Amino acid sequence: DIQLTQSPSFLSASVGDRVTITCRASQGISNYLAWYQQKPGKPPKLLIYVASTLQSGVPSRFSGSGSGTEFTLTISSLQPEDFASYYCQQLNSYPRSFGQGTKLEIK
Amino acid sequence: EVQLLESGGDLVQPGGSLRLSCAASGFTFSSYAMNWVRQAPGKGLEWVSGISGNGGRTDYTESVKGRFIISRDNSKNTVYLLMISLRAEDTAVYYCAKATSTVTTRHGMDVWGQGATVTVSS
Repeated sequence: DIQLTQSPSFLSASVGDRVTITCRASQGISNYLAWYQQKPGKPPKLLIYVASTLQSGVPSRFSGSGSGTEFTLTISSLQPEDFASYYCQQLNSYPRSFGQGTKLEIK
Repeated sequence: EVQLLESGGDLVQPGGSLRLSCAASGFTFSSYAMNWVRQAPGKGLEWVSGISGNGGRTDYTESVKGRFIISRDNSKNTVYLLMISLRAEDTAVYYCAKATSTVTTRHGMDVWGQGATVTVSS
């Protein structure tokens, strides 16, 4: 099974900051990686798929990059509504594993 | 409006069984693979199972193989998760989620239900 490791697990930042979250896969997954945002008590929301394609309706301040084993999610200028947890998921093989999550908090 | 609505969550004793349902609306259900993803209290997301649009392919995470069965009834626009031999570690909110694309399951999951709570405890 493919393991995904996100870093950092916790991130404290301010409105307007640029932040980057990294997701590393235990083996190559081509570009079959998705990013999700989850707020407390809510289901996850798809942000990005195939590493860099922005899901419809997602603000352009979100971007993704990477291939193989290393991927990043970048938020160019944090907005108050962006404080949430973020998860990567690999879709290269089964089981479709998730990273452990990154909790983005207000500094 | 595209919508998924889970039902069937409950408190069940260890060793017991439960069937979750997820009713879909607003899209051509049979064209999309469907998934179940769970989240234990205070923990991260765990993909549990997936099923192809026609039901011909099913996949499971290792910890539920032999205990959980995913199925779908395209005439009822519903996907199910039958869970048997439940354990305390199966306690979680269970989400059903729709594949983003009709042609591949590799584009993530774009529509999620609100979740069904399963508690396994004596």
